Amino acid sequence: SQQGEEDPQALSIQEGENATMNCSYKTSINNLQWYRQNSGRGLVHLILIRSNEREKHSGRLRVTLDTSKKSSSLLITASRAADTASYFCATDGKGGGADGLTFGKGTHLIIQP
Amino acid sequence: DGGITQSPKYLFRKEGQNVTLSCEQNLNHDAMYWYRQDPGQGLRLIYYSQIVNDFQKGDIAEGYSVSREKKESFPLTVTSAQKNPTAFYLCASNIGAGYVNEKLFFGSGTQLSVL
Repeated sequence: SQQGEEDPQALSIQEGENATMNCSYKTSINNLQWYRQNSGRGLVHLILIRSNEREKHSGRLRVTLDTSKKSSSLLITASRAADTASYFCATDGKGGGADGLTFGKGTHLIIQP
Repeated sequence: DGGITQSPKYLFRKEGQNVTLSCEQNLNHDAMYWYRQDPGQGLRLIYYSQIVNDFQKGDIAEGYSVSREKKESFPLTVTSAQKNPTAFYLCASNIGAGYVNEKLFFGSGTQLSVL
């Protein structure tokens, strides 16, 4: 079953603008992660935020987590053409169970030069 | 250079044929996973293994089989029982033990198509 759902499904912005994408999930989590996937490639881990954290930064990335709303957002500042990719959120969602992460369907981000 | 290697990059299956996708890692990770990705969809878990000689079914295990005879290797066989095998298959690993839901490292994927 799908745990995380990203919104929007697709996003097109101009280079230099900020990109924001959201993720909603259904059950309690220990952590939430964001991954990037370039077309036809594997996923690359971007950032992990734990359930007791509200905000985390990594370079041009900022992730927020609101456990009361069961939602997270990923902000990419000063976007570049190389940021064009699909972005997925992933949750454990099973109280630390050992059966892997559950991924959403992703947001396809296009950065126009 | 540490990482996860999947091969082949492209694979074609004939009707009634079993095919095996390779996944090798040199990260010394205990846990390994197989995910299936369909166009416009998220990843769905097929099988996972936390330790050598042990593995568990994921959400969509029917029509697939795996083995974990070595720590470094976790091959996936797509059997003839899988009626809709066309998809992008991703292998992943992480440290395992108390970190099974932490950061995953992914291979570059295998695109399987039916002839």
